[in-house]
Amino acid sequence: NAGVTQTPKFQVLKTGQSMTLQCAQDMNHEYMSWYRQDPGMGLRLIHYSVGAGITDQGEVPNGYNVSRSTTEDFPLRLLSAAPSQTSVYFCASSYFRDLGTGELFFGEGSRLTVL
Amino acid sequence: GDSVTQMEGPVTLSEEAFLTINCTYTATGYPSLFWYVQYPGEGLQLLLKATKADDKGSNKGFEATYRKETTSFHLEKGSVQVSDSAVYFCALSTSGAGSYQLTFGKGTKLSVIP
Repeated sequence: NAGVTQTPKFQVLKTGQSMTLQCAQDMNHEYMSWYRQDPGMGLRLIHYSVGAGITDQGEVPNGYNVSRSTTEDFPLRLLSAAPSQTSVYFCASSYFRDLGTGELFFGEGSRLTVL
Repeated sequence: GDSVTQMEGPVTLSEEAFLTINCTYTATGYPSLFWYVQYPGEGLQLLLKATKADDKGSNKGFEATYRKETTSFHLEKGSVQVSDSAVYFCALSTSGAGSYQLTFGKGTKLSVIP
């Protein structure tokens, strides 16, 4: 059972470049989300989705775009990378019915460095 | 807004020592409370949870009790092992408030030495 799969695991970008972090889950979860993890800051929500075609902003959405064309996939796009976006990014998913009381399932993370 | 405050680390303990990691929260409504653990090089995984006041969550020898009167959810383990070395995150979610996220604390790094 693959769970939540993120690619790539590591990426180095130059300022101004664009890229997409991929996230796929095979658990038929309605809810998917992206977090960034920075030292001393914990995890902060970037964007989330409660189903195909529905996305919304979290705590730190600036500089990031998302789309949800299928239940399985939730890519995160950086249109013009900045050094402040150097971070570890986690994708997480859940059944909608479990939001609030249940478990979020996390991917292994994608470490992004912007030079 | 909702917030979680947990003790700053890093925490270094000898094997078989007693562990407490403090966590307090501020939330509107009636939050569910969670402890997530992140082992080196991995994503977060749920360690335990409690969904209402006075509930005790437990797993792998870890325990935490939901204390509404003190707005706390402290993590405890009676005898830690080297394999418990990880970063521990306290988190809350307010059900029924239309929020679709967990609010995390900043994490506490635990190192257990033989």
